[in-house]
Amino acid sequence: DAKTTQPNSMESNEEEPVHLPCNHSTISGTDYIHWYRQLPSQGPEYVIHGLTSNVNNRMASLAIAEDRKSSTLILHRATLRDAAVYYCILREGRTPNAGGTSYGKLTFGQGTILTVHP
Amino acid sequence: DGGITQSPKYLFRKEGQNVTLSCEQNLNHDAMYWYRQDPGQGLRLIYYSQIVNDFQKGDIAEGYSVSREKKESFPLTVTSAQKNPTAFYLCASSSGQTNTEAFFGQGTRLTVV
Repeated sequence: DAKTTQPNSMESNEEEPVHLPCNHSTISGTDYIHWYRQLPSQGPEYVIHGLTSNVNNRMASLAIAEDRKSSTLILHRATLRDAAVYYCILREGRTPNAGGTSYGKLTFGQGTILTVHP
Repeated sequence: DGGITQSPKYLFRKEGQNVTLSCEQNLNHDAMYWYRQDPGQGLRLIYYSQIVNDFQKGDIAEGYSVSREKKESFPLTVTSAQKNPTAFYLCASSSGQTNTEAFFGQGTRLTVV
């Protein structure tokens, strides 16, 4: 399985941008890069995903390196509600030889604990 | 509302008893997943299913069993063979395609005494 590496923790001040890095040097050509975040005692929630091009949505931006071996989740203006554990995940794009089901296995690493200071 | 539901939120069991955690989704998703999370740790994959009547072991399947008889349901049984069953259990579902998001339930906190 392709794995990801993230810093254990990061800190930011409210209203400032936050750049959360992720390394995935063994990524394969069909793997999508996904980001989720988890608040205490809750299930993770989806943030953003991408394949090759940079992506933007209402929550964040995802910058993907040209060689796809790393990516960065960008929170443009951190708020206190953004304090969470952020997970960078690769969704494997293998397709079995028989049948039509794609194997979107979803494997999590340790994630980055983001602390936001008022 | 469409979503994924885990029940109960808190569960207490005596050591040596099997216990089944419920996970139901009405999102018409093909894929479903079970994870275990210990305090201060990330999510570890227990089992996953890409289609009805089929499931695969994840990284820590020992001591657990699952079934996938219906598309909507993916119950997890924590058996007495699981050495340290006390944990936070999370269920997720997705369309199964790698370019779509997964949706998570709110989790079941299992305590074995």
